Amino acid sequence: RKEVEQDPGPFNVPEGATVAFNCTYSNSASQSFFWYRQDCRKEPKLLMSVYSSGNEDGRFTAQLNRASQYISLLIRDSKLSDSATYLCVVNPTFGQAGTALIFGKGTTLSVSS
Amino acid sequence: EAQVTQNPRYLITVTGKKLTVTCSQNMNHEYMSWYRQDPGLGLRQIYYSMNVEVTDKGDVPEGYKVSRKEKRNFPLILESPSPNQTSLYFCASSLTDGQGNYEQYFGPGTRLTVT
Repeated sequence: RKEVEQDPGPFNVPEGATVAFNCTYSNSASQSFFWYRQDCRKEPKLLMSVYSSGNEDGRFTAQLNRASQYISLLIRDSKLSDSATYLCVVNPTFGQAGTALIFGKGTTLSVSS
Repeated sequence: EAQVTQNPRYLITVTGKKLTVTCSQNMNHEYMSWYRQDPGLGLRQIYYSMNVEVTDKGDVPEGYKVSRKEKRNFPLILESPSPNQTSLYFCASSLTDGQGNYEQYFGPGTRLTVT
């Protein structure tokens, strides 16, 4: 059962490039969506939540397409420090503290100079 | 500093020797959870707890136990560890604003090897 799917990559891009990741989810009733970032051998950390209208935080833009059940993350002007694994996370339960968060396996990004 | 702590950070043990991995958070979060992360499989939830004395199974609970006697602590117990429990374990706690918009704070991880 693949509830959250991501392209594992790796995505190898030069500094300054724009890169986009997609994530698809199977449960159409899912309500909350997130992108987490995980550096090698470290704990995941929240990058941004994904809202229905889409949201932007600096160089990062997240979009949600409910009809097609996918979430995207766009990174503009990539920096070396963006190199990490990006986890797509879906919570099918609205308004609750995450009874069963579903994590994608992650997409690895490597930014080179 | 708001944080989730786990101990030990690294552990090598033998099959069948009971062990406990502790997890503690200082953010007064009601929700806590344990995950394991394995190459090619991603993060999988083992157990979670919505509040003191309230725990429930995640996706891969077999071979694990948890308890939640205090709000801040959520230990993970392996009664009889086996080599297939060799993994990287993360504890997490959660903030919620009642709108479904929340962040999970993860501990630094415990790398367990069972020989």
